[in-house]
Amino acid sequence: EVQLVESGGGLVQPGRSLRLSCAASGFTFDDYAMHWVRQAPGKGLEWVSGISWNSGSIGYADSVKGRFTISRDNAKNSLYLQMNSLRAEDTALYYCAKGRGFDYWGQGTLVTVSS
Amino acid sequence: QSALTQPPSASGSPGQSVTISCTGTSSDVGGYNYVSWYQQHPGKAPKLMIYEVSKRPSGVPDRFSGSKSGNTASLTVSGLQAEDEADYYCSSYAGSNNLYVFGTGTKVTVL
Repeated sequence: EVQLVESGGGLVQPGRSLRLSCAASGFTFDDYAMHWVRQAPGKGLEWVSGISWNSGSIGYADSVKGRFTISRDNAKNSLYLQMNSLRAEDTALYYCAKGRGFDYWGQGTLVTVSS
Repeated sequence: QSALTQPPSASGSPGQSVTISCTGTSSDVGGYNYVSWYQQHPGKAPKLMIYEVSKRPSGVPDRFSGSKSGNTASLTVSGLQAEDEADYYCSSYAGSNNLYVFGTGTKVTVL
């Protein structure tokens, strides 16, 4: 059974940093691209960042480019999102999702940016 | 990276069909056959319903179908059931370096 479990969310002040993690199991992690998708309270889905199976191809939404860094550790079956210079508008539930079609999603980890 | 355009709402009676559009550009929807559709019930994670424009994952009822014409993709739900009431989002691959974009979302109501 595919499982994606996000962690690392919490309350953080504007301008500070946070690192999210996603632990994957139930599939061959290094066969798939992985993504972070967020959803602000009461709003729609927004793709944040994606990374290919071997980290050779990485993309970011314009809204986070230069502030967020995606990475993965295939030996640990884990995906990460380093978020720096956080803003109030980054407040959202952050999901990790598997593969090109986002065929499996975790339950999300909530990030709240507020003073 | 502009969001794909979806109608805010759609509705139908049980047994009827509803079609949701998803309009992008030649740089995303029109340029690739990597359009997907997701169903999201309140408080739940999204669930993949259609991938690569018209393919259904295992376990998704064949009442759900997808298509694409030019820069617009569509999701049709036939034989509407109460459990189909949810938010629906499209997404599309948008080019090199793993770029993707989501639609604005459509709330489907079963009357």
